[in-house]
Parts: sequence; structure tokens; C-alpha cells
Amino acid sequence: DVKVTQSSRYLVKRTGEKVFLECVQDMDHENMFWYRQDPGLGLRLIYFSYDVKMKEKGDIPEGYSVSREKKERFSLILESASTNQTSMYLCASSLRGPSGNTIYFGEGSWLTVV
Amino acid sequence: AQKVTQAQTEISVVEKEDVTLDCVYETRDTTYYLFWYKQPPSGELVFLIRRNSFDEQNEISGRYSWNFQKSTSSFNFTITASQVVDSAVYFCALVPIKAAGNKLTFGGGTRVLVKP
Repeated sequence: DVKVTQSSRYLVKRTGEKVFLECVQDMDHENMFWYRQDPGLGLRLIYFSYDVKMKEKGDIPEGYSVSREKKERFSLILESASTNQTSMYLCASSLRGPSGNTIYFGEGSWLTVV
Repeated sequence: AQKVTQAQTEISVVEKEDVTLDCVYETRDTTYYLFWYKQPPSGELVFLIRRNSFDEQNEISGRYSWNFQKSTSSFNFTITASQVVDSAVYFCALVPIKAAGNKLTFGGGTRVLVKP
């Protein structure tokens, strides 16, 4: 079974803190994604990576950065957390190939910024 | 740009009732994939189905069925004889086949509550 693991399920951080959300996948997938989920808005893509050290902005990259130093690991970084970044964050991965390959998701990280 | 609309934000039914979730999409691409995902309370999105735009045949999998109508840009999902375990948030999503990167566009989700 494909496994996408997000290291932290629940975090509470203070405004201005630097926050790291870690994600690891065990299926040798090239593509990795970070989505943000908010009620009524569905999932919105923050960043995407199609290979080690490669990244591409998604629809809402402002206030976020990412790091992909190893194929299996994709980190989301909030340089200076703000209250409007309180949300559920979902990591995902898929094979590269043509679009349409099944995307596998982690269980999500609930981040509260106070 | 793509857009996926799930007009129903929440549906509440009693166990054994049927429930239909609507999904309407917009895209300028002529070839694309459509998906449905289920998100139980645990948080992880679970893949349910992928359908490509070439194939308008309806599909049934157990109590789940999907009605794809390209003419109305809709990809509706029906749960027959609902059960409490079907309580979850369901997402519809789209990706153009020619798009690089396999980046899905999601709808806002529909929360389904099945009461015993």
C-alpha cells in the first residue's frame, strides 16, 4: 500500500513563528504536492514538486516555501506564521507520467496559529 | 483555468436512503480526467474513481454509482442504501490530460451525514 505520512497531525504555533510541516512517501513517487483545505473552498494547491530540488508554485504560494532534498520527503515551510494560515494541510504524491495518475494523500496536519 | 463546483455543502440522510452528490465542472480542454475522493473523519482523502472524458459510460461499484454527462459538464455520484460509514466529505476533482504535473482542481466538497 502507498503510504504518505505527515509527521504532525495537530500543531499550535504563535504568530511570527517559523513552521515546518514534513511529509514522507514510501512509493518512490516523483510528484509531491502540498494542498491547503478550508471549508467551502475545497483543496487548493500551494506547491508542487516533480523531482528532487524541483518545485513549482501552485495557486496560493504566498507566505509559503517548500524544500525537496530527497525524493521521498517534501517539506512545507511557513517562514512567519500568520493567523490566516490556520488551516488543514494535506500532502500528496503520485507517479510522474501523464496527468491522471492516482494521487495519494496523507492524513493531514491541522495547524492553528494564535 | 478549470473550475469544479459542488453546490451542496452538506447533505443529511437517514441510513438506507439514497444520496446523490452533484459535481459540475468547467474546462476549455477537450480531454480530461474526473475524480471523486472520500475524506472520512480521519482526514486522509481516499480515491474512489477516475473517469476520462472519452468514456461517458456510467459506472457502478457496489453501492456507489457515477453518472458522467459531458453535455451538461456533470459527474454526479450516488450512494445507494447509505450507511453510517458513508459519513464523510466527498470531493470532485478535474485535471486536463495534457496538463503537466498532474495538478488537480478540486470542488469545495460535500459533507454527507448519515444518521442511524
